[in-house]
Amino acid sequence: GQNIDQPTEMTATEGAIVQINCTYQTSGFNGLFWYQQHAGEAPTFLSYNVLDGLEEKGRFSSFLSRSKGYSYLLLKELQMKDSASYLCAVREVWNTDKLIFGTGTRLQVFP
Amino acid sequence: GAVVSQHPSWVICKSGTSVKIECRSLDFQATTMFWYRQFPKQSLMLMATSNEGSKATYEQGVEKDKFLINHASLTLSTLTVTSAHPEDSSFYICSARSSSGSQNEQFFGPGTRLTVL
Repeated sequence: GQNIDQPTEMTATEGAIVQINCTYQTSGFNGLFWYQQHAGEAPTFLSYNVLDGLEEKGRFSSFLSRSKGYSYLLLKELQMKDSASYLCAVREVWNTDKLIFGTGTRLQVFP
Repeated sequence: GAVVSQHPSWVICKSGTSVKIECRSLDFQATTMFWYRQFPKQSLMLMATSNEGSKATYEQGVEKDKFLINHASLTLSTLTVTSAHPEDSSFYICSARSSSGSQNEQFFGPGTRLTVL
């Protein structure tokens, strides 16, 4: 089975940098996704990692270490609109469709 | 990007009634769609995987006779909550996988908020 852990809540200041960690345990790994979800809305795709290393996309970057079962999402130049929940999701190797979501991290950005 | 719609966006019903939620992929074909449930301040929990033309695969603990799933075409899946009760009140979200994407990304619908009185 899968076990995915994220911090429940984080706070940060506008303009700062924040790192949201995700650790996972799985018997078969086939990629890790990060999604952003504003309250009452559906998740939106942020990033995808399947190989070790850093993927950069604008203000957001995501890192993966498969040997450590660890990923992080890095948000730079924080804006108020970045206040949202950030969901880490792992895809199973024997089912390329199925995503298992972590508990999500609620990020609050203050001015 | 690919667009997934859900209808209705919200629904309020009386206990004991059935509610049908539709999930459509608007600009792509989806052989597989997923149904998730999300309670307040919690993450998404996969309920079932819906496959076009075949029976849905339900996650452990999800009653298949209570949550009926039909995937009649490559662009439409429906979830029917039968004999709904207040504990079924939740945010129901569907997703569809675009087979043309490089990483097989799932695209999520806007969600349906169900309130059972």
